[in-house]
Amino acid sequence: GEDVEQSLFLSVREGDSSVINCTYTDSSSTYLYWYKQEPGAGLQLLTYIFSNMDMKQDQRLTVLLNKKDKHLSLRIADTQTGDSAIYFCAESLSGTYKYIFGTGTRLKVLA
Amino acid sequence: KAGVTQTPRYLIKTRGQQVTLSCSPISGHRSVSWYQQTPGQGLQFLFEYFSETQRNKGNFPGRFSGRQFSNSRSEMNVSTLELGDSALYLCASSPGGDRLYEQYFGPGTRLTVT
Repeated sequence: GEDVEQSLFLSVREGDSSVINCTYTDSSSTYLYWYKQEPGAGLQLLTYIFSNMDMKQDQRLTVLLNKKDKHLSLRIADTQTGDSAIYFCAESLSGTYKYIFGTGTRLKVLA
Repeated sequence: KAGVTQTPRYLIKTRGQQVTLSCSPISGHRSVSWYQQTPGQGLQFLFEYFSETQRNKGNFPGRFSGRQFSNSRSEMNVSTLELGDSALYLCASSPGGDRLYEQYFGPGTRLTVT
């Protein structure tokens, strides 16, 4: 089946690292994504990883993919108050033009 | 380059009415997808269009329909509105082809059904 799960909340102190986790069920995923949604706004594509990669780094963001466990994580280094938002994990399914999104993790950064 | 635009941004309708939402993709993008976002169900895929053809559809009733025009602009229509259709409707565009993985979202249309 198609399911993507995330924890609902994460709270960190400014300057610390944040790690947001996601698990998915469909092994035919081609790409896995992280999006950020701020209040009243649409989704902003932060980064993505191809399913045959283990890791991708993009400035303060590090994506780790464990394909065996179907586990994806997003690490934000030196977390800032502007990083407070909802973070969505998503997968695109091989052979389709369909994306499955997780429930979103609300990240709160404490000053 | 201008981003994805959606109109209107806010809409209030009554049960039983119908509504049409519009999405203009980023210039040069040929694929447009629609999503419904609600607090209870999260983000759910509605459908995806490429070159005026619907290529995939989510698990929504036939009251939800869409179309894409030759200039890649897309509309979605919801007929016989129900209270449960109240949601944020998001449109996303992508260049398609080998860049299908790049999906860019608009700000959404907030639909309230009373």
